[in-house]
Amino acid sequence: QLQLQESGPGLVKASETLSLTCTVSGGSITSSTYYWGWIRQPPGKGLQWIGTIYYSGSTYYTPSLKSRVTISVDTSKNQFSLKLSSVTAADTAIYYCARGVPAVAPYTHFDYWGQGALVTVSS
Amino acid sequence: QSVLTQPPSVSGAPGQRVTMSCTGTGSNIGAGYDVHWYQQFPGTAPKLLIYANNNRPSGVPDRFSGSKSATSASLAITGVQAEDEADYYCQSYDSSLSGSVFGGGTKLTVL
Repeated sequence: QLQLQESGPGLVKASETLSLTCTVSGGSITSSTYYWGWIRQPPGKGLQWIGTIYYSGSTYYTPSLKSRVTISVDTSKNQFSLKLSSVTAADTAIYYCARGVPAVAPYTHFDYWGQGALVTVSS
Repeated sequence: QSVLTQPPSVSGAPGQRVTMSCTGTGSNIGAGYDVHWYQQFPGTAPKLLIYANNNRPSGVPDRFSGSKSATSASLAITGVQAEDEADYYCQSYDSSLSGSVFGGGTKLTVL
């Protein structure tokens, strides 16, 4: 059974960089069938797609965050990571990692999700 | 503001048929891109409920169904149960944004 687990600091200071890692178990991150994505949810609000990565390193980001986001993959560890720079209180959210299928952007849906990691930005 | 528009809330009595909408534009649903639906209970991660407009993953009860037409999509629950009380989100692809987009979510209350 595929499992995804987010890890990283739960508290980040404003203007600094948020860093999270998603560890994938029960399946290979190098499968050609899947994307790997990050989605966030501010407290009490809806879902926002942040970006997606393919095991080869190809990335796709939502335009509103593109200037601050970097998603990377470490195939040797079966992990992918999120970095969000210059954070503000508006970046406080639960951050989910998820598997996207198929690896064809217009058709991708997310079938496996991590439990989520709450990241609070403090002033 | 979400790119896809969902009603904030819907409600229905147990056993009734409940529907909720997801309205898009010509750059997403109207362009023919698939719509997917997720169910989320408080404090838990979203769960895939319907993919590619009207397909249910293994384990999802057949009382859940999806449909799509023109620039909108709908999720129907036939014979709603108390355990279905949750938030529901639609998702599609937007060509002008070159990425996935979600609706704002609909809270289902079972009366």
